[in-house]
Amino acid sequence: DTEVTQTPKHLVMGMTNKKSLKCEQHMGHRAMYWYKQKAKKPPELMFVYSYEKLSINESVPSRFSPECPNSSLLNLHLHALQPEDSALYLCASSQNRDSHTDTQYFGPGTRLTVL
Amino acid sequence: AQSVSQHNHHVILSEAASLELGCNYSYGGTVNLFWYVQYPGQHLQLLLKYFSGDPLVKGIKGFEAEFIKSKFSFNLRKPSVQWSDTAEYFCAVNRAAGNKLTFGGGTRVLVKP
Repeated sequence: DTEVTQTPKHLVMGMTNKKSLKCEQHMGHRAMYWYKQKAKKPPELMFVYSYEKLSINESVPSRFSPECPNSSLLNLHLHALQPEDSALYLCASSQNRDSHTDTQYFGPGTRLTVL
Repeated sequence: AQSVSQHNHHVILSEAASLELGCNYSYGGTVNLFWYVQYPGQHLQLLLKYFSGDPLVKGIKGFEAEFIKSKFSFNLRKPSVQWSDTAEYFCAVNRAAGNKLTFGGGTRVLVKP
């Protein structure tokens, strides 16, 4: 089973709202990732968690706040977003970030619209 | 910084035609190479991957890719496409160990029935 689940599927929020995106995997993977994908563009890495610790932050604005409560869950807290933050937010997981043969598996994404 | 280039942004072909999508990367060290596919309305799925060994890699749904180290290339091929292969295809590269995936710009493939 290589399933990564994400909720919600769609989210519409105002610029003053606070919302959260959730990601879950039950494959025993110890690395989890957030990507942002704008329309007709490739995914761009935002954050990497390895063994529940933040290991990579790709200079993401502080209005995006990741959280990894345990090895199966990854959240992305959103606050004071801008309309240009509207995108598909993808979660991925992999067995071990430092493994030579690591492979990332992606969830279906949350389509976020900021009004 | 490593970069990944996909030469074709859009490809249109008829069913039963052969498909080849180009991918070149810039990093000179040891890399892992991937092709992902994104069908309309669906999530990114892994088609195939190369870590080491035989440079000709076979994946799902009849796809294969060839790693040519001297050309920094990892081209994707399928001998005979079907309408259901209509999708966007992404090449991705990461350095061996570290797993920071860098994606190419993607190629939209439309297969006409």
